Amino acid sequence: EVQLVESGGGLVKPGGSLRLSCAASGFTFTNTWMSWIRQAPGKGLEWVGLIKSKADAGTTDYTAPVKGRFTISRDDSKNTLFLQMNSLKTDDTAVYYCTTLWGGGPNFWGQGTLVTVSS
Amino acid sequence: DVVMTQSPLSLPVTLGQPASISCRSSQSLVYSDGNTYLNWFQQRPGQSPRRLIYKVSNRDSGVPDRFSGSGSGTDFTLKISRVEAEDVGVYYCMQGTHWPWTFGQGTKVEIK
Repeated sequence: EVQLVESGGGLVKPGGSLRLSCAASGFTFTNTWMSWIRQAPGKGLEWVGLIKSKADAGTTDYTAPVKGRFTISRDDSKNTLFLQMNSLKTDDTAVYYCTTLWGGGPNFWGQGTLVTVSS
Repeated sequence: DVVMTQSPLSLPVTLGQPASISCRSSQSLVYSDGNTYLNWFQQRPGQSPRRLIYKVSNRDSGVPDRFSGSGSGTDFTLKISRVEAEDVGVYYCMQGTHWPWTFGQGTKVEIK
């Protein structure tokens, strides 16, 4: 059974940093593209970015609102995905979901972790 | 960015009756490999989203066959043949052809 468990969310002040983790199990993490998607309270879904498998060069892509501030990385030896978030803004307040990618979209989702950016 | 426009945004339905959601993209979703990367998701209240359909019309594992997807190019549709109580929630379309991938605004399905 595929499991994705996010952690690391919490309350942070504007301008601060936070690192989210996603522990993966139940599938071959090394071969899987992964992504982060967020959802502001009461709002729709918004892409943060993705990371390809090492076999596909492990490259990353980000959406404009987070580019230059957020970094996605992976530790294949620990089956873990990361999201380093710097220079946080109040607009970054959201539930952050870790997902696997397959078939041109996110097929499995974690339960999400809430990030609140507020002074 | 590709804009995904869903309609309606709110859909009151009667149990046992069919329902249909439209999704239109601002440009063609046919990728260079010939595939069309259009997905549909369901988000029940208080839960994480769940993918129902990928590549326009392929159901994910465990998805009931009352859900079906169709369309091509820029026009797509999700149909529920007979709505059940557990289908209440918000439905999103999403394109995975052009980066940045983008979601529609969501359609809220509720029981009349």
